[in-house]
Order: sequence, then structure tokens, then C-alpha cells
Amino acid sequence: QKEVEQNSGPLSVPEGAIASLNCTYSDRGSQSFFWYRQYSGKSPELIMFIYSNGDKEDGRFTAQLNKASQYVSLLIRDSQPSDSATYLCAVNTGFQKLVFGTGTRLLVSP
Amino acid sequence: DAGVIQSPRHEVTEMGQEVTLRCKPISGHDYLFWYRQTMMRGLELLIYFNNNVPIDDSGMPEDRFSAKMPNASFSTLKIQPSEPRDSAVYFCASSLGARDNEQFFGPGTRLTVL
Repeated sequence: QKEVEQNSGPLSVPEGAIASLNCTYSDRGSQSFFWYRQYSGKSPELIMFIYSNGDKEDGRFTAQLNKASQYVSLLIRDSQPSDSATYLCAVNTGFQKLVFGTGTRLLVSP
Repeated sequence: DAGVIQSPRHEVTEMGQEVTLRCKPISGHDYLFWYRQTMMRGLELLIYFNNNVPIDDSGMPEDRFSAKMPNASFSTLKIQPSEPRDSAVYFCASSLGARDNEQFFGPGTRLTVL
């Protein structure tokens, strides 16, 4: 079992819809969780991090964490074509070390 | 401020040759990370440094890979000898090491080994 799992997609949503991206992790001791966005041919950039159970909102983005279920999600409201990218879930397994999922490709159609 | 700087941006070499990738972290960042990204395996951590000291090199695939950080502003990742399966994008990232642990990534080096 991989430490961090994501559906590779692509996840296709129409412009203006809500995109829901999901991630599960195996290490119950993980304390912090990150969502990175990576455009094709570019480097990953941080969107959000979360370390408490529940929801954390930042603009059109909401991260959700459920430690009991070992589940992290990212919701993107009012999706825009510019949101089309690969979204990487990352888990801090301790001592500044991040383990990344393989990413979910999101396609937002106009 | 300049972000993480990597060179070269592209490298094409032949099997058996030595390859050296370079990274300059963001000034003041205490942590430096080397990652490799492929379609099959995604983004994998190879090694990371704290205050120029290697902390965890468990991701380094084999003895052909080595990394150094002689000072706070420079690190190298060397592959000798290179093999076609080493073809990937290699990213360097740096962070302050705070709880939110945001890692800032460089633009990457696309390595092709023929």
C-alpha cells in the first residue's frame, strides 16, 4: 500500500462547478497535510496546509481533514479553466519530510 | 527575492556519463530537499539537508547517486554513472522548517539519459 494515495484522474468539471479532490494516507501518526498545485511543465506550488480535523477555507479553496478516516480532501468552488492542473496531496511524516501522492489531474472546461 | 535556483534546466547525456545538478536555496532557509519526479512514481524525496547536514538519504536509489551541501547557499546532486532509467525531472526545494513546512520548489532540471 502506498503511503499517500490519490486518484490519477483526470477529473473533468465544467466551469463554475465544485471540484472535489481526495487523498488517503496510511501513517496514523501524520500531523500535517498539504495540497500543492502543479501546472504542466512547472514546479509544484503550495495551495493550502491543514493539521486540525475539520475544514479550512482560503478563498475558493477548502481543505478538509478527517484523521480518524485518514482522509484529506480539497474542494475548489467556482472552478475556472485556470485551475486545470495536477493537484498533489502531501503528508508530513515527521522531521520536515513530506510524502507526496502521485497527483490528480483536474480539467476545467469553459 | 529570487526563488530557488536550479541549473541546468535541461540536460541530455549518454549512458555512463557523470551528471551534476546544482541548486541554490532561498536565502535564510534551513532545509534543502532533492526530489525526483516521473510519471510512474510521482514526486519522490531523494535526500534532505538541515543546516548543510544530510538528515535522511533513504530515498537515494543507489550508490550511483550522491548529494552534497558545502555551504548554506549551494547544493549538488551527482549521478555517476548515469543510466536511462535516471531520466526524470529533478527538483530542489527549500524551507524554513516551520510547522507549516511550506517547501518552495525550484524550476527543476529535466534530465534525459540516452
